[in-house]
Amino acid sequence: QKEVEQDPGPLSVPEGAIVSLNCTYSNSAFQYFMWYRQYSRKGPELLMYTYSSGNKEDGRFTAQVDKSSKYISLFIRDSQPSDSATYLCAMSEGYNFNKFYFGSGTKLNVKP
Amino acid sequence: DTAVSQTPKYLVTQMGNDKSIKCEQNLGHDTMYWYKQDSKKFLKIMFSYNNKELIINETVPNRFSPKSPDKAHLNLHINSLELGDSAVYFCASSQGGRGGISHGYTFGSGTRLTVV
Repeated sequence: QKEVEQDPGPLSVPEGAIVSLNCTYSNSAFQYFMWYRQYSRKGPELLMYTYSSGNKEDGRFTAQVDKSSKYISLFIRDSQPSDSATYLCAMSEGYNFNKFYFGSGTKLNVKP
Repeated sequence: DTAVSQTPKYLVTQMGNDKSIKCEQNLGHDTMYWYKQDSKKFLKIMFSYNNKELIINETVPNRFSPKSPDKAHLNLHINSLELGDSAVYFCASSQGGRGGISHGYTFGSGTRLTVV
């Protein structure tokens, strides 16, 4: 079993829709959670990070962590065609985040 | 431009060859990484160097050897290339320790290696 599981998609939505992307994990020691966005043929770029449980909002993006269920989510409001990319979750046990475990990514397509 | 740059972007080579990928960062970060991304987009850490010292060495064939001449550079040398080595290899950097978590990794654009 992989440390982090993520539905690969693809997920196709119309412009303006609310998108929900999710990851589950098995290691209860994970405390630091990140979401990366990867455009085709580019490196991943950090979108958001959260520590422990709770919500964090940044513009149209909201990250949620439910440690009791070992489940994290990224919500995108008013999705745009420019949001079309692969979204990867990543998580780590310690403050020194030298070792993050990544999900395999969910491919999102936002249709105009 | 401040960035993580890696060369080459594309590498096509025959089985059995030896090849190197170079990575440089000008962000002043103290930690650098090599990640491998397979065809299913699964991103897995291979190595991590902090201030030129190897701190993470995952279960990677010893045909792969990282070298960090200084903390701004981390190169990856691969001996006796095999078909299964075909993947995208990403270099990344970060500022480890306190205060670094909010910035995460900065990734390069990747080197697409194809072994034929």
